[in-house]
Amino acid sequence: GQSLEQPSEVTAVEGAIVQINCTYQTSGFYGLSWYQQHDGGAPTFLSYNALDGLEETGRFSSFLSRSDSYGYLLLQELQMKDSASYFCAVPDAGNMLTFGGGTRLMVKP
Amino acid sequence: KAGVTQTPRYLIKTRGQQVTLSCSPISGHRSVSWYQQTPGQGLQFLFEYFSETQRNKGNFPGRFSGRQFSNSRSEMNVSTLELGDSALYLCASSDDFEEQFFGPGTRLTVL
Repeated sequence: GQSLEQPSEVTAVEGAIVQINCTYQTSGFYGLSWYQQHDGGAPTFLSYNALDGLEETGRFSSFLSRSDSYGYLLLQELQMKDSASYFCAVPDAGNMLTFGGGTRLMVKP
Repeated sequence: KAGVTQTPRYLIKTRGQQVTLSCSPISGHRSVSWYQQTPGQGLQFLFEYFSETQRNKGNFPGRFSGRQFSNSRSEMNVSTLELGDSALYLCASSDDFEEQFFGPGTRLTVL
């Protein structure tokens, strides 16, 4: 089976940098995805790491270490609109996603 | 391209009833997945359809079923509703392995 652990809540101030960690245990591993979900909204795709290293997309970056079964999402220059829940997820064969419990990020002025 | 659409957006049912939810994927996407989201259990995979065939099934009882039509539209059905079935049901479509596009969800309340 698959299991993913991430912190339940993180608080940061506007303009700061925050890192959301995710550790996983999987029977097979293809890569690590990150999704953002605002309250009342649908999850939206942020990034996918299949290989070790850092992937950068604007203010968001995602990192993967396959040897450590660990990844993180880095959010820079935090804005109020970044307040949301962030989920790490691992895809299985056939587009099945197993999600972590989600990290609720609160950005304060 | 239009996004993933789900109907209805909100639904109230009573215990013992059944419900059918509908999902229209992004044009060209052949894979449609369904997820249940609750505060207690988080986001859980229900099943995935690809070209009208169920490819994967999550750990849910047989009361939960689905199907996919030749135009890739998908429906899921829940029979004999229980209070614990109250949840946000999300549909996602994709055309590759890496990214799934989620619809706005159907909020089901079972009374």
